[in-house]
Amino acid sequence: AQSVTQLDSHVSVSEGTPVLLRCNYSSSYSPSLFWYVQHPNKGLQLLLKYTSAATLVKGINGFEAEFKKSETSFHLTKPSAHMSDAAEYFCVVSGTYSGGYQKVTFGTGTKLQVIP
Amino acid sequence: EPEVTQTPSHQVTQMGQEVILRCVPISNHLYFYWYRQILGQKVEFLVSFYNNEISEKSEIFDDQFSVERPDGSNFTLKIRSTKLEDSAMYFCASRPRQGSDEQFFGPGTRLTVL
Repeated sequence: AQSVTQLDSHVSVSEGTPVLLRCNYSSSYSPSLFWYVQHPNKGLQLLLKYTSAATLVKGINGFEAEFKKSETSFHLTKPSAHMSDAAEYFCVVSGTYSGGYQKVTFGTGTKLQVIP
Repeated sequence: EPEVTQTPSHQVTQMGQEVILRCVPISNHLYFYWYRQILGQKVEFLVSFYNNEISEKSEIFDDQFSVERPDGSNFTLKIRSTKLEDSAMYFCASRPRQGSDEQFFGPGTRLTVL
């Protein structure tokens, strides 16, 4: 079984302040975890991914996420929000099972609003 | 850098009509996927495709849907008789090989059924 929970549907921050988008997951296997960003009317862009290497993962645009197995969390952070960060963010869990079969589950998304 | 492409970017159709959404995955990738995102909702898995056959499909992927890789480069999603509730953004994705978890997503096709 595999699931992902994004705890906040909307997050609002002021420009220049830190961003925290929360994600918890469950998986029967050692999962890979991803954060994707979707700007309005655009496709999904990979921000960063965790695939069993370093637990602190750095991504594009200053974002990073820490994989905490004990807390089953993979929260996304950024020290200082920029107006261009306003978008929807999806946490995704992926597991590859026998035969190469892969199951991917998306979270419900968190809309980030950045206030000038 | 190679990327997944999708055409058209926006498709408008009448209810009951057939539509074909096209995707060109990254050339050396082996696994292919379709997802949909109804406006305001989360991204949902539709179907995965490997070695010229469907490897998994969700309950959404009923008899109205079919997928095909007709020529070794394109990967298509056909909806035989569209319904209003098929209006959504449809994303194609591809994955290179077994053991690689990252899927590479296309920009999506927005389907509007009137």
